Amino acid sequence: AQTVTQSQPEMSVQEAETVTLSCTYDTSESDYYLFWYKQPPSRQMILVIRQEAYKQQNATENRFSVNFQKAAKSFSLKISDSQLGDAAMYFCAYRSAKAGRRALTFGSGTRLQVQP
Amino acid sequence: SQTIHQWPATLVQPVGSPLSLECTVEGTSNPNLYWYRQAAGRGLQLLFYSVGIGQISSEVPQNLSASRPQDRQFILSSKKLLLSDSGFYLCAWSQQTYGYTFGSGTRLTVV
Repeated sequence: AQTVTQSQPEMSVQEAETVTLSCTYDTSESDYYLFWYKQPPSRQMILVIRQEAYKQQNATENRFSVNFQKAAKSFSLKISDSQLGDAAMYFCAYRSAKAGRRALTFGSGTRLQVQP
Repeated sequence: SQTIHQWPATLVQPVGSPLSLECTVEGTSNPNLYWYRQAAGRGLQLLFYSVGIGQISSEVPQNLSASRPQDRQFILSSKKLLLSDSGFYLCAWSQQTYGYTFGSGTRLTVV
């Protein structure tokens, strides 16, 4: 079974600075998808960024980018120019590409605080 | 556009009472549907998923059950709630290779 590990329960960053959230996963599959979700205090789950395992290029969405290291099974999220609105819980998630195994497996989350 | 509705938003129920949480999706057909639970300060645990009407897969043995009576309707139920059923319940749908779209969640407190 796949597992996702987020080893940083809490992180703090100054406004306008850059922060990196770590995520590692364990799988025997070669084709899969990785996601970062943001959960603000409203508890709505918001997709931040997505990475296909077969793509070597790291995904980027505005101020959010990932460092995907397939061999190391590492998928970190970098937030540049941090804003107060970035404060939230961040979850890393894994999904198999195999049909019938499309449920997401989540890590335990990292709480990000943004200091003004 | 696709939307997902989940209700109620908040629920306080006594131990031993029944439960019914409903989730509906609009603007799509034959979605994969999921129920997740999130304990306080924890990650999301998959409870059930469905790939079609009447097709339910359970991930965790528990006091809960799920049903999919219509293509875009997913219901989470319990005959008798336990204190340990308290938590935040999220419904989600997905299609193809994209990520999920989540509902706004139900905060359940069993007292």
